[in-house]
Amino acid sequence: GNSVTQMEGPVTLSEEAFLTINCTYTATGYPSLFWYVQYPGEGLQLLLKATKADDKGSNKGFEATYRKETTSFHLEKGSVQVSDSAVYFCALGGSGGSNYKLTFGKGTLLTVNP
Amino acid sequence: DVKVTQSSRYLVKRTGEKVFLECVQDMDHENMFWYRQDPGLGLRLIYFSYDVKMKEKGDIPEGYSVSREKKERFSLILESASTNQTSMYLCASTSGAGLGTQYFGPGTRLTVL
Repeated sequence: GNSVTQMEGPVTLSEEAFLTINCTYTATGYPSLFWYVQYPGEGLQLLLKATKADDKGSNKGFEATYRKETTSFHLEKGSVQVSDSAVYFCALGGSGGSNYKLTFGKGTLLTVNP
Repeated sequence: DVKVTQSSRYLVKRTGEKVFLECVQDMDHENMFWYRQDPGLGLRLIYFSYDVKMKEKGDIPEGYSVSREKKERFSLILESASTNQTSMYLCASTSGAGLGTQYFGPGTRLTVL
């Protein structure tokens, strides 16, 4: 079945540091890939997504590229801010008829200090 | 903006009580989901519904049931709450053509004493 493995946290960075959160997946077919973010006390919200190989998703300075050859979708940001402190989830969409279901990684807590 | 609302942000119940968690979405989405979120375990799917009165078990359905009588509303029921059901419960919805983009509610933190 589908599975997602993401870097375990917590990750603590200083403001303006470079961020990478690794995510790899196992899936059949051609799934869509997602990064969701959960700010303290809130539900999850979509950060970015990519629907096919070599696509790059980007939003709010974050980027991730769908790498089919390495089955990866690593999240990066060149310069983090305190307001980026949150839990980040990598997720995999099913392919075909079950495309609306998602499989989530366990989440990575990011703390950015001033 | 898509809005998914959940009936309570915090809930405290006693062991053995029947608990209802309500979720409402305003975007006419076909698919709705209930997850629980626990530290170190991430999100785990309890049940989902792809149409009114239709439901499928997720990865951890034991001890839970669901109801979807109207398209916009999806209820999670704990028939007899137990302490191991203390958790954060998240509701989400998506359209059939959404390619997996799910919209989440703010969550209900349930404590069972």
